Amino acid sequence: QSALTQPRSVSGPPGQSVTMSCIGTSDNVGGYNYVSWYQQHPGRVPRLLIYDVNKRPSGVPDRFSGSKSGNTASLTISGLQPEDEADYYCCSFAGSYISVFGGGTKVTVL
Amino acid sequence: QVHLQEAGPGLVKPSETLSLTCLVSGGSIKNFFWNWIRQSPGKGLEWIGYIYSSGAAQYNPSLRSRVTMLVDTSKNQVSLRLTSVTAADTAMYYCARHGSRIYYFDYWGQGTLVTVSS
Repeated sequence: QSALTQPRSVSGPPGQSVTMSCIGTSDNVGGYNYVSWYQQHPGRVPRLLIYDVNKRPSGVPDRFSGSKSGNTASLTISGLQPEDEADYYCCSFAGSYISVFGGGTKVTVL
Repeated sequence: QVHLQEAGPGLVKPSETLSLTCLVSGGSIKNFFWNWIRQSPGKGLEWIGYIYSSGAAQYNPSLRSRVTMLVDTSKNQVSLRLTSVTAADTAMYYCARHGSRIYYFDYWGQGTLVTVSS
């Protein structure tokens, strides 16, 4: 049982926008603006997509965006691309530099 | 460019101790938090804990009784010990870094697969 709850899967055709949620509590997501998102392709190391809720590292396409409302964070992919098919994990700071992950969402490009 | 390289035995027997190291190159180990994260086959990411360059550590409460992390600044490496392992500890183990007042993992190692089996 992961500390943060993510949908198991989302899907859409190329070009469509998809949004996935990451539900936590006031002890983690709701209490801090330190949610990050990681993309992981099969057999690969997780890659940072979003940090501090809605900031993108250099090199990450701007079709990836993050937001937060209360205890729920969200990642939106605007205009799905075939290469976006991967697993996506949210992660939140939970005080004292403790981190908690979500169970991951598998994105399928139809 | 900072590079993290995990190393350790790929096979550990049940009830024994898993020991891994993470060698940091291309940058200093000081003033950073060095985290261990694992991923069981087909499963999600699990944060195991961190050790700061000063030696201060925090562990996942679910693993706290079995985990020890150490730092060796002279060798620029950190280590993970997990005792009394079972098949449930079979996973890819990653080393990852974050900085002070930085709440995301900016560098990851390639990971090392540990299988617990007799």
